[in-house]
Amino acid sequence: AQSVAQPEDQVNVAEGNPLTVKCTYSVSGNPYLFWYVQYPNRGLQFLLKYITGDNLVKGSYGFEAEFNKSQTSFHLKKPSALVSDSALYFCAVMGEKLTFGTGTRLTIIP
Amino acid sequence: GAGVSQTPSNKVTEKGKYVELRCDPISGHTALYWYRQSLGQGPEFLIYFQGTGAADDSGLPNDRFFAVRPEGSVSTLKIQRTERGDSAVYLCASSAPLTRAIPDTQYFGPGTRLTVL
Repeated sequence: AQSVAQPEDQVNVAEGNPLTVKCTYSVSGNPYLFWYVQYPNRGLQFLLKYITGDNLVKGSYGFEAEFNKSQTSFHLKKPSALVSDSALYFCAVMGEKLTFGTGTRLTIIP
Repeated sequence: GAGVSQTPSNKVTEKGKYVELRCDPISGHTALYWYRQSLGQGPEFLIYFQGTGAADDSGLPNDRFFAVRPEGSVSTLKIQRTERGDSAVYLCASSAPLTRAIPDTQYFGPGTRLTVL
């Protein structure tokens, strides 16, 4: 069975600072990893994914994620945070099915 | 529209009633998924369709839950004898035809918020 851990329920970052949202995973076989963002009263929006290839994946809205096989991590990053980045972020791993973490609420402080 | 659509956006019902939730996937997407998201949790898988057939229904919590996709496009999630614990946001997602080994991105609808009183 696969699983995802997002160790931080809440992350606060000052506007303009770099941000990191952490994710670790467990899956048998090749890891297929995804990040989604959820704004209030809206569905999940796809940000980026790792399937194979370069460990640094670039996605929407300036986000990127670094795949680290030895640490089984797939942390989401952005060099300079915007207030509009404030939302709920979910990491997910695809094994037999897409399994999500519990989410991290990111708040960007003006 | 270009995205996944779900109706209704909100549904309030009484305990014991029957409800139907509808999902209209992205045109051309043969894979369709239903998830349930409770407050403070990530989405949890319910059922997966490839075409008209349910390829994996292992996430359905009990036999009160059922889903159909008769023509391989629109899907309906049906809940009989609703209970207060069924209250949640029900999300639908679709993806392009799967390759043999590599999963494709799932694109989500806005969800249906179900409240059982």
